Amino acid sequence: DVKVTQSSRYLVKRTGEKVFLECVQDMDHENMFWYRQDPGLGLRLIYFSYDVKMKEKGDIPEGYSVSREKKERFSLILESASTNQTSMYLCASRDWTSGREGETQYFGPGTRLLVL
Amino acid sequence: EDKVVQSPLSLVVHEGDTVTLNCSYEVTNFRSLLWYKQEKKAPTFLFMLTSSGIEKKSGRLSSILDKKELFSILNITATQTGDSAVYLCAVRNYGGSQGNLIFGKGTKLSVKP
Repeated sequence: DVKVTQSSRYLVKRTGEKVFLECVQDMDHENMFWYRQDPGLGLRLIYFSYDVKMKEKGDIPEGYSVSREKKERFSLILESASTNQTSMYLCASRDWTSGREGETQYFGPGTRLLVL
Repeated sequence: EDKVVQSPLSLVVHEGDTVTLNCSYEVTNFRSLLWYKQEKKAPTFLFMLTSSGIEKKSGRLSSILDKKELFSILNITATQTGDSAVYLCAVRNYGGSQGNLIFGKGTKLSVKP
């Protein structure tokens, strides 16, 4: 059973703080993703990673950076948190070894971040 | 077993044509249906649909969901070469704590000049 874990369920930070969100998956998946979810906007892709040390900007990368030093771990970094980054952050992983077949993303439980 | 089926798998049209892409699903604990456009990288989000009969529209793209018949369509009018991509349909369920996305195989759209 695939398991994707995120380091915190709830987080409260102050404006200007540096914030680290960690995501770990245990299925040796190549692809990992960071999304944020806001009411009425659905999932928006922040960054994703094809494999270790590879990263690609998603739709809303501004104000974020990522790190993928090991295959199982994908970190999202808010360099200087702002109030508009208050959101639910979701990590996902995907096994993409055979093209279009079986493209299921497995999500973590989410981290609800509040920036004051 | 949950599944999402898209049709056609591949489509070639000329600029200016209108296309309709289909997505049918059998998913327990349906939560929402999402459409993505995928070019070379990860999918770009297009629409999220949760209610039947309400059309979502963005420029030349529109989409609608039928929860009774378990399908959705994505329409693109006045197609342009920049619309060439794989269009992915995904259904999100209530499984687990946040739900999972089950993707279809995608429809590869090629728009010729």
